[in-house]
Amino acid sequence: ETAVFQTPNYHVTQVGNEVSFNCKQTLGHDTMYWYKQDSKKLLKIMFSYNNKQLIVNETVPRRFSPQSSDKAHLNLRIKSVEPEDSAVYLCASSHGLVEQFFGPGTRLTVL
Amino acid sequence: AQSVTQPDARVTVSEGASLQLRCKYSYSGTPYLFWYVQYPRQGLQLLLKYYSGDPVVQGVNGFEAEFSKSNSSFHLRKASVHWSDSAVYFCVLRSTGNYKYVFGAGTRLKVIA
Repeated sequence: ETAVFQTPNYHVTQVGNEVSFNCKQTLGHDTMYWYKQDSKKLLKIMFSYNNKQLIVNETVPRRFSPQSSDKAHLNLRIKSVEPEDSAVYLCASSHGLVEQFFGPGTRLTVL
Repeated sequence: AQSVTQPDARVTVSEGASLQLRCKYSYSGTPYLFWYVQYPRQGLQLLLKYYSGDPVVQGVNGFEAEFSKSNSSFHLRKASVHWSDSAVYFCVLRSTGNYKYVFGAGTRLKVIA
């Protein structure tokens, strides 16, 4: 099956903990993205990688860091989570500058 | 700066009625435009896209959209909605030459019996 896969689906953690989210695409795309979607459904781009190179790095807190091992994987690490980090994190991919394909999202709850 | 405005945060229509969801964009060049749908607890799915050519583009599940450069709009339409169309719809713009996609705030559609 060709798609964008994200793990875990849900994650509940305490303030100050570290979390990591995984994203893998089997579409053969060369560009991957991380978005944060808040409770009002607003999407905000966080990072974008093209061929393992960081090309978009929006203003996000330094506790967020992307990790790309190859073109098919783009993980997101959050050191010392804060309550405002509670959101849905969506991973997407595209081939060049065409439409994006999205994963199902990872819902993070910070207690 | 590029921007996308979806003026209607919520729209309620009766099943079988026609639908139009509005989208206005701000961009000096020719944009690439998309409509995505997000069902509850799911990621975004592409409905249709416009790059160039015929301003009316057909998408999945009977959706279509019309691009208007003069009005800077890309409205989404459907002739007859079904209850399963209840979801959040996003209008998205991508400017040429970079990897940034600009999302509208979304329109939450509710289809009632």
